[in-house]
Amino acid sequence: QVQLVQSGAEVKKPGASVKVSCKASGHTFTSYFMHWVRQAPGQGLEWMGIINPSGGSTSYAQKFQGRITMTRDTSTSTVYMELSSLRSEDTAVYYCAREHNAGSSAGWFDPWGQGTLVTVSS
Amino acid sequence: DIQMTQSPSTLSASVGDRVTITCRASQGISSWLAWYQQKPGKAPKLLIYKASSLESGVPSRFSGSGSGTEFTLTITSLQPDDFATYYCQQYNTYPLTFGGGTKVEIK
Repeated sequence: QVQLVQSGAEVKKPGASVKVSCKASGHTFTSYFMHWVRQAPGQGLEWMGIINPSGGSTSYAQKFQGRITMTRDTSTSTVYMELSSLRSEDTAVYYCAREHNAGSSAGWFDPWGQGTLVTVSS
Repeated sequence: DIQMTQSPSTLSASVGDRVTITCRASQGISSWLAWYQQKPGKAPKLLIYKASSLESGVPSRFSGSGSGTEFTLTITSLQPDDFATYYCQQYNTYPLTFGGGTKVEIK
């Protein structure tokens, strides 16, 4: 079955960077766009950006422009999300989520990874 | 950016109740709307896409309706497994945006 497995929890100091991985299995990796969504503690969902695993092209939410980088490794079917210049407000669970339909960037997701908690604290 | 507003933010209901959640978009999004269910400590799960299409494997007690700017998610005969938080999400325009969520609690 389709599965997205993310890397483990991270604790970072303000100003540092974090890189979260998301390993896909059960589907053709390069056929499905991948999104990143985050959720601050007790808060709602916030879309961060999208990557095309085929060519590596990306599109980011304006809020994160300049601080976020999404990459992929086709040899391991893994996508990465790196966020730099971390501040306390970046404390959140970060999810990868697969675009529902192959070849589409329509923007609705299933399945999701299990989430990675990133804590930013001095 | 398109703002998505859900109401109510919290809803208390009993097993067997019919529950309706509303989602409003700040501008027309045709039928490009999805609904997700999220339980504590878990990732969201897709329930509905294109406003009214039921995702495979989702019980038929869930249904969605609406177009343009007003949408509803209805759960007929609420089950114990349905107590969770529900989010709407528009995918008419990037950046993709979510509603603030509706928590369905046990009455």
